[in-house]
Amino acid sequence: DTEVTQTPKHLVMGMTNKKSLKCEQHMGHRAMYWYKQKAKKPPELMFVYSYEKLSINESVPSRFSPECPNSSLLNLHLHALQPEDSALYLCASRETLSNQPQHFGDGTRLSIL
Amino acid sequence: GESVGLHLPTLSVQEGDNSIINCAYSNSASDYFIWYKQESGKGPQFIIDIRSNMDKRQGQRVTVLLNKTVKHLSLQIAATQPGDSAVYFCAENTKTSYDKVIFGPGTSLSVIP
Repeated sequence: DTEVTQTPKHLVMGMTNKKSLKCEQHMGHRAMYWYKQKAKKPPELMFVYSYEKLSINESVPSRFSPECPNSSLLNLHLHALQPEDSALYLCASRETLSNQPQHFGDGTRLSIL
Repeated sequence: GESVGLHLPTLSVQEGDNSIINCAYSNSASDYFIWYKQESGKGPQFIIDIRSNMDKRQGQRVTVLLNKTVKHLSLQIAATQPGDSAVYFCAENTKTSYDKVIFGPGTSLSVIP
């Protein structure tokens, strides 16, 4: 089991639906991340929150909306997604000290119909 | 053997042999490097890291070598086991933003029993 918990594990949604992905960690990490991963490709950084503030947005389309309600939780709100958004969405957390590795969840497998 | 291009680079090794997985990086400002292992259906799992002021670091059955002159990183796995079969990613952290972690393309390791 990982220390970063992501729900749901699988999600199928239509292009007009609104859904949310959730991520939770209780390691006291103050940096949290969303990544998108397509098959046979490395994770691509989407968003970074540091001390509950958005610090990096890698030019992600506005149909993806991140939220960090508190230091343990990270959400990714989805609306009007496209079929090409189908992917594995990974959450990670990290201590904010320099030179510390990220801890990843096992991801949410998202399929857009 | 090994193949590159549109497909994920692959490495096949006999059980019990040593494996060497290579990674090139391009950013001379990177000062922290991490190796992750990703098994099918799971998120990346931290294996070992190295700071730029070192050229070698050893863990349990794994060794990371860093050659800053040619911007090259390698992961050596001793006595490779079937459980080592996975995709391996190197990742780098830049001095300008410790929050931003960039992943390499990955190598798929297959262990032949």
